Amino acid sequence: AQSVTQPDIHITVSEGASLELRCNYSYGATPYLFWYVQSPGQGLQLLLKYFSGDTLVQGIKGFEAEFKRSQSSFNLRKPSVHWSDAAEYFCAVGARNQGGKLIFGQGTELSVKP
Amino acid sequence: EAGVAQSPRYKIIEKRQSVAFWCNPISGHATLYWYQQILGQGPKLLIQFQNNGVVDDSQLPKDRFSAERLKGVDSTLKIQPAKLEDSAVYLCASSQRDRANEQYFGPGTRLTVT
Repeated sequence: AQSVTQPDIHITVSEGASLELRCNYSYGATPYLFWYVQSPGQGLQLLLKYFSGDTLVQGIKGFEAEFKRSQSSFNLRKPSVHWSDAAEYFCAVGARNQGGKLIFGQGTELSVKP
Repeated sequence: EAGVAQSPRYKIIEKRQSVAFWCNPISGHATLYWYQQILGQGPKLLIQFQNNGVVDDSQLPKDRFSAERLKGVDSTLKIQPAKLEDSAVYLCASSQRDRANEQYFGPGTRLTVT
């Protein structure tokens, strides 16, 4: 069965510091992979996605993620965090033959200190 | 382009009462999804529609939850009767028919059952 694990429930980083949020997935083949961000009281906004090709994908707001098949990981990175990046981040996996169903991780809450 | 609209944004009811949520997807999006997001967890798919037909409702508690998408546009999700464990945010998402994994989310309806 497909599953997504985000090992870190809560991370705090200083403004201007680099960020890496971890995501590991379990799936029998190469899935579609996504990172979403959710600000308080808001819906989910797609940051970036990986379908195929280059394993380093660029997203919005300066985020990037790298697909590592050997580690079943899709970690999210940002070189310099801004206070406005404080939010909940969700990693999700979609199967290539299941018409859109997404399995989400439990989320990582990011706090940014000045 | 207008996003996914949902109403109401907040709802408080007592257990055993009924409640309904409404969703209007992005214009032209054939696929519509309802997710349940319990506090501290990632969203979980409840039901997926393609136009007005159900594609996947395997995780919908059918004894109390129902959903419809008449005319293949707007959708309503109903809970009757509500239980305390139904307290959650209910998210609606939509996608184009041939891009099912690129889902756009609405702001959600926060339901509190007392």
